[in-house]
Amino acid sequence: GAGVSQSPRYKVAKRGQDVALRCDPISGHVSLFWYQQALGQGPEFLTYFQNEAQLDKSGLPSDRFFAERPEGSVSTLKIQRTQQEDSAVYLCASSSDWTYEQYFGPGTRLTVT
Amino acid sequence: EDQVTQSPEALRLQEGESSSLNCSYTVSGLRGLFWYRQDPGKGPEFLFTLYSAGEEKEKERLKATLTKKESFLHITAPKPEDSATYLCAVLDTGRRALTFGSGTRLQVQP
Repeated sequence: GAGVSQSPRYKVAKRGQDVALRCDPISGHVSLFWYQQALGQGPEFLTYFQNEAQLDKSGLPSDRFFAERPEGSVSTLKIQRTQQEDSAVYLCASSSDWTYEQYFGPGTRLTVT
Repeated sequence: EDQVTQSPEALRLQEGESSSLNCSYTVSGLRGLFWYRQDPGKGPEFLFTLYSAGEEKEKERLKATLTKKESFLHITAPKPEDSATYLCAVLDTGRRALTFGSGTRLQVQP
């Protein structure tokens, strides 16, 4: 079956611009996660949804970061007024409700110039 | 606070030269330990979940083991296509988010 998909795969933004990153999880997966991965590092948790409810947003680095999943399927991560330190790969993962394994998408590489 | 430390940071092997990657962890309560493989420009690919000390899982040339403080990923007779970054992550009993280590970059030369 289809895996997790993310779009766009690459995004270049000028400092101060707003960006929106999309994640389409595996069909039927109730849990959705966003992670940020800096070059040469492991992914770091940003936020977690169960269906449409955002149950944990403790990893969001500032109030410029906002995520939503209004219908419990597709999710969008929005970054307002982008800064150079926001440059990273943003990974989305999904999980079913009977297992803890998370399945990752290919990521969106964000470069802020 | 959960912590995961992977060693070595990088490893270069000759084809057929077996070795092990280490993952040391600290959690308040372990719900599971996960191994992922990540190729350049791609997202992490799930390999194994280990739930309790003494557990072992195998897949082709890879075998993962777990103790109360660390996990090992053993690679037997590696091939060049095994070259990738291997990530270890833990899931704490109080959370749903994974805590990752920085990974081990494995290069297998023909």
